[in-house]
Amino acid sequence: DGGITQSPKYLFRKEGQNVTLSCEQNLNHDAMYWYRQDPGQGLRLIYYSQIVNDFQKGDIAEGYSVSREKKESFPLTVTSAQKNPTAFYLCASTSGEGQPQHFGDGTRLSIL
Amino acid sequence: SQQGEEDPQALSIQEGENATMNCSYKTSINNLQWYRQNSGRGLVHLILIRSNEREKHSGRLRVTLDTSKKSSSLLITASRAADTASYFCATRNAGNNRKLIWGLGTSLAVNP
Repeated sequence: DGGITQSPKYLFRKEGQNVTLSCEQNLNHDAMYWYRQDPGQGLRLIYYSQIVNDFQKGDIAEGYSVSREKKESFPLTVTSAQKNPTAFYLCASTSGEGQPQHFGDGTRLSIL
Repeated sequence: SQQGEEDPQALSIQEGENATMNCSYKTSINNLQWYRQNSGRGLVHLILIRSNEREKHSGRLRVTLDTSKKSSSLLITASRAADTASYFCATRNAGNNRKLIWGLGTSLAVNP
């Protein structure tokens, strides 16, 4: 079955630590996205990538970094500079502009 | 940045009743999409309606779009307990097809 796999499902971060969230897709989609979801809020875009080796900042990129070395993979690193990282993180992909997005099942990040 | 606003924020109905959710937006759009999110899961695409379309159906779902009022509605007919979820609208703005602009969602509870 084609889809998007996010791992881990739950993640805990210690003070001053960087953590990396994994997102892998086998849909052969060019574009991939990272969103943050807080309770009572909609999705806020962190980073997106239209093609391998290229990515753009979204609306809340500060404290986060990404890479896109392979078409299938778009990992997100939450750095120690992100002072309020507790949230539900969602990865998505799409086959092209104007097309619906396909989502993974998310990673819930908490502070220890 | 958030553009879509869903109304109501929360809706509670009995099984068998119809559920109507509304979405308003602010700028010209290319298309409007509705998604569903079960608790703790990723989003699932339901329906995409283009700016030149006025109504679209998919099973028990009916979506309307009024571009003059910059609003859309999602109707779920003959609701079931399994329809309990959060529903989000997202717009793809004309001239910027790379990002979706998300609303805050409507939380629907269908009571058996």
